[in-house]
Amino acid sequence: EPEVTQTPSHQVTQMGQEVILRCVPISNHLYFYWYRQILGQKVEFLVSFYNNEISEKSEIFDDQFSVERPDGSNFTLKIRSTKLEDSAMYFCASSDGRVETQYFGPGTRLLVL
Amino acid sequence: AQSVSQHNHHVILSEAASLELGCNYSYGGTVNLFWYVQYPGQHLQLLLKYFSGDPLVKGIKGFEAEFIKSKFSFNLRKPSVQWSDTAEYFCAVNGRGSTLGRLYFGRGTQLTVWP
Repeated sequence: EPEVTQTPSHQVTQMGQEVILRCVPISNHLYFYWYRQILGQKVEFLVSFYNNEISEKSEIFDDQFSVERPDGSNFTLKIRSTKLEDSAMYFCASSDGRVETQYFGPGTRLLVL
Repeated sequence: AQSVSQHNHHVILSEAASLELGCNYSYGGTVNLFWYVQYPGQHLQLLLKYFSGDPLVKGIKGFEAEFIKSKFSFNLRKPSVQWSDTAEYFCAVNGRGSTLGRLYFGRGTQLTVWP
């Protein structure tokens, strides 16, 4: 069964550094998402992406964040200048849109020191 | 405002015990409801979903959930849990007909099953 994959599984970075989290959605899917979960808190929506542009973003998704689909397979989340509070598990998801179900990757655990 | 509440943060059961995990939601409109499960070290997997029709939905691995519209609830049940059901369970909601609909998640319930 096709799966969403994410790399790296873990990343440790210094505050102020840029990080790029990578995702490979399921190949025939057209809708892409990023969510995050800060330890002990809810999974929170960050952004949705369709047709090469952002469809919706939450209040968390400020100017420090950007998303890109640089080629036909990858979907990336960039955090320009990381803060301590960006430490979280980041989940990528994709959907084909027809069945309104999102399929999630295993997550990238980001630790900002 | 849209939100999902899962009242149990950690549930501990013995094998063969019955399970019920509570989920209540607040959403302005018609909803789709989901339960996701995350086994240790693995990705979030869809356990079951409700879009419309029969409010009792069956999912994988013997799980089922019942949508009670009047109570804004979508509780997850399993009559007899196994050690392999140890995982974190997330309830989620989005708006019906919203192809790109962002999911609103509950905080998750960690289920530990002792053999």
